[in-house]
Amino acid sequence: GAVVSQHPSWVICKSGTSVKIECRSLDFQATTMFWYRQFPKQSLMLMATSNEGSKATYEQGVEKDKFLINHASLTLSTLTVTSAHPEDSSFYICSAGTGGPYGYTFGSGTRLTVV
Amino acid sequence: GENVEQHPSTLSVQEGDSAVIKCTYSDSASNYFPWYKQELGKGPQLIIDIRSNVGEKKDQRIAVTLNKTAKHFSLHITETQPEDSAVYFCAASRSNFGNEKLTFGTGTRLTIIP
Repeated sequence: GAVVSQHPSWVICKSGTSVKIECRSLDFQATTMFWYRQFPKQSLMLMATSNEGSKATYEQGVEKDKFLINHASLTLSTLTVTSAHPEDSSFYICSAGTGGPYGYTFGSGTRLTVV
Repeated sequence: GENVEQHPSTLSVQEGDSAVIKCTYSDSASNYFPWYKQELGKGPQLIIDIRSNVGEKKDQRIAVTLNKTAKHFSLHITETQPEDSAVYFCAASRSNFGNEKLTFGTGTRLTIIP
């Protein structure tokens, strides 16, 4: 089946620094990548959608200059949280669209804590 | 845009009994309805899905029903086991090919009482 590898699984960073989260599709080409944020005991909220080689489309209320998304290849997408602040602490999850029978495949998530 | 409502938010059932979680959606163009199980600190795991041309789908102890006219779909878990305890999310999309965004319900925390 389709597998998405997400790293790191957890990260602690100081306020004001930047953090990069990677998602790799291991055995398929991810034509579309979705990035979600999940606060404790809440649902997954879509942040942005990216297609390989194109600029990401951000959901309303998500700052595109703060959450930089790069989808330069069909197997790798990255989310960079720039100038992180404590309120950015959350669980970030990627999901790859396979364009085929596997539908959506989710990464294992990244727990970001900004101190 | 799509709005997905999910009920109940918490559900406790005795081991061996059945659990039912219900969702409604608003976008009549949605045609793909997956259900995910999420354990603490992990990403969502697909447990079953249904497409709009099907009214019911079953996989061992898990089944999903869809009423497209009423815009609601339900998850049924029979013979529940302690390992079924988790948070369950329903979702809806206009495509099952992974190229359209998924809208998630608010989640149901299911607890199986031994």
